[in-house]
Order: sequence, then C-alpha cells, then structure tokens
Amino acid sequence: GAVVSQHPSRVICKSGTSVKIECRSLDFQATTMFWYRQFPKQSLMLMATSNEGSKATYEQGVEKDKFLINHASLTLSTLTVTSAHPEDSSFYICSASGGTGRDTEAFFGQGTRLTVV
Amino acid sequence: AQSVTQPDIHITVSEGASLELRCNYSYGATPYLFWYVQSPGQGLQLLLKYFSGDTLVQGIKGFEAEFKRSQSSFNLRKPSVHWSDAAEYFCAVGPKAAGNKLTFGGGTRVLVKP
Repeated sequence: GAVVSQHPSRVICKSGTSVKIECRSLDFQATTMFWYRQFPKQSLMLMATSNEGSKATYEQGVEKDKFLINHASLTLSTLTVTSAHPEDSSFYICSASGGTGRDTEAFFGQGTRLTVV
Repeated sequence: AQSVTQPDIHITVSEGASLELRCNYSYGATPYLFWYVQSPGQGLQLLLKYFSGDTLVQGIKGFEAEFKRSQSSFNLRKPSVHWSDAAEYFCAVGPKAAGNKLTFGGGTRVLVKP
C-alpha cells in the first residue's frame, strides 16, 4: 500500500503555544486528506477534510480557528493547533486519499501524540 | 446519520484459540467497510476492506471478515490467534464516493493469554 508519513510522532508544548503537525503522502498524490483525533481509550473522530488547493471542511463542533488546516500541495497537509491548552492533548492521525471515486482507499499516517503542559 | 457499533469493548482470548470481533453498522446504503488494527501508540493498519463482490473478505495476518447485508454486520474472524494479535481493532464505514471519509466504531481491545 501507499505510504503516509506524519511528523512529529510526539510533541510536548506549553499551554498557549501553537503546534504544527505535518502529513505527507510519500508515493502518491493525495487530493484529499482527513484529520482525525483520538482521545485515550476512545475511537477516532473525524475533525476535518481537506482538498488540495481549497479550504478545509470541518466537522460539527470542531473550531476552525483553533485547528488550522492547510493542504497547499498534493503531498502535504498540515494541522496547526493554535493556542494549545491541556484539553487539546490527544492523538492526532491523518489519512490521505488519491481521489474521491469508487474503490479509492485512504492510507493512514502513524499519528502524533500531542501533550500540552 | 451513519454509525458503527462494536459491542465488545474488551475480549480476552487464549493463544491458539479462535477470535471473532463483532461490528454492526447503520447506513443509508451499502457502504464501504473496513477493519483496522492499532497497536499501542501507533497509527492504523488496514486489515481488510469490503467494497463489493464476494461477501467473505480475506485480509492480512490471517484475518477474514464476512459482510452480511441482512444483519448490517461485518464481523472479523481469525481461526488461531497469536500473541502478536493483541491490539485495538476498529471497524469503520465510509461512503462509496467520498474518498473514504470514515466513521469508526468504538474499538475492541483484544488481550491474548499465553
């Protein structure tokens, strides 16, 4: 399968600072990328969908001004957690897809563990 | 709205025994169906998927799943569990034309006894 690389794998930041997480598709062009959040011992919840070159679509209840998503190229999407607070501590996972048609599969990154202290 | 239910939060199985993880979904039409495995602190690895065709799907690591439309189920099975199968398993559904915007079940944690 295709490879999606997420960086960093772990990050600790101080409350009030911003953190950027990168999601790269290494061997295919990702027209669509998805960002998920996973709280401890819980399932993954979709935060937003980003299409290359356009604004991200956020799920209900997700603050777009707090979780900035940029999908400027076909191989890179970034999630920036702005003014982070301890309640933003979570596991963030991206997935990337090469299209929106039938049989299109999304591939997941390794995830980023964010801890806000 | 779509939803996925994994009724079992935890399952403990002896090494060498068979394993079955349940997944039921609610969806307006036949969705794409997936099973993923997640080891502690890691991302997701796709075990298998169902898009169409044969309702018994073979995956990696000896796993298989059967799609039953009448029961809205997609249960995962493995005939003989290995200690390395201890992990969290997620069932997910997605629409057929949205590039896999997935809805996940709550997950089932599998513990393997020696």
